[in-house]
Amino acid sequence: GAGVSQSPRYKVAKRGQDVALRCDPISGHVSLFWYQQALGQGPEFLTYFQNEAQLDKSGLPSDRFFAERPEGSVSTLKIQRTQQEDSAVYLCASSPSRGGGFFGPGTRLTVL
Amino acid sequence: QKEVEQDPGPLSVPEGAIVSLNCTYSNSAFQYFMWYRQYSRKGPELLMYTYSSGNKEDGRFTAQVDKSSKYISLFIRDSQPSDSATYLCAMSEIIQGAQKLVFGQGTRLTINP
Repeated sequence: GAGVSQSPRYKVAKRGQDVALRCDPISGHVSLFWYQQALGQGPEFLTYFQNEAQLDKSGLPSDRFFAERPEGSVSTLKIQRTQQEDSAVYLCASSPSRGGGFFGPGTRLTVL
Repeated sequence: QKEVEQDPGPLSVPEGAIVSLNCTYSNSAFQYFMWYRQYSRKGPELLMYTYSSGNKEDGRFTAQVDKSSKYISLFIRDSQPSDSATYLCAMSEIIQGAQKLVFGQGTRLTINP
């Protein structure tokens, strides 16, 4: 069966560019989480959706980060005016309930 | 100080050894405790999930939670080269209806044939 998929798997951006990262959760999963994982570190929470509602965005590091899940399925994490410190792996996880769930493979973002 | 502390290693042991991985935490509100395994360039994979204090066993893996000491452990028996990965502890409380996970730094483990 299909798990959580993320695209692109790798993204290289020049500093100042905008990027959009996509997450396709497991079908029917209510909860969707975004995490940021820096090299050699554990994932850190960014934001949480329950269906289309963004219930917690306390982990977004700045107002350059924006996430949406308009139809309660696919989610997009957008980073505007990327900076070098945004370089990390961005992980998406989905869950049928409110738990931490199943993780996708991540998108590795490198900002030059 | 981080909410969850985990020794990053690296840890290298021979095949067949018993491996012990540990985390400490500071937030007494954490109720759910998890261990994830992460292979290189992959997403974390849930290994063990426990609620509150006690032990839980699943095959070669045993998870222990001691809430009084704010200390959790993962034991791997009869370790195999395929167990070589980074092991992440994670814990959570229910906030705004969701289990927002707080992860440790991860311990990089190598099992040598």
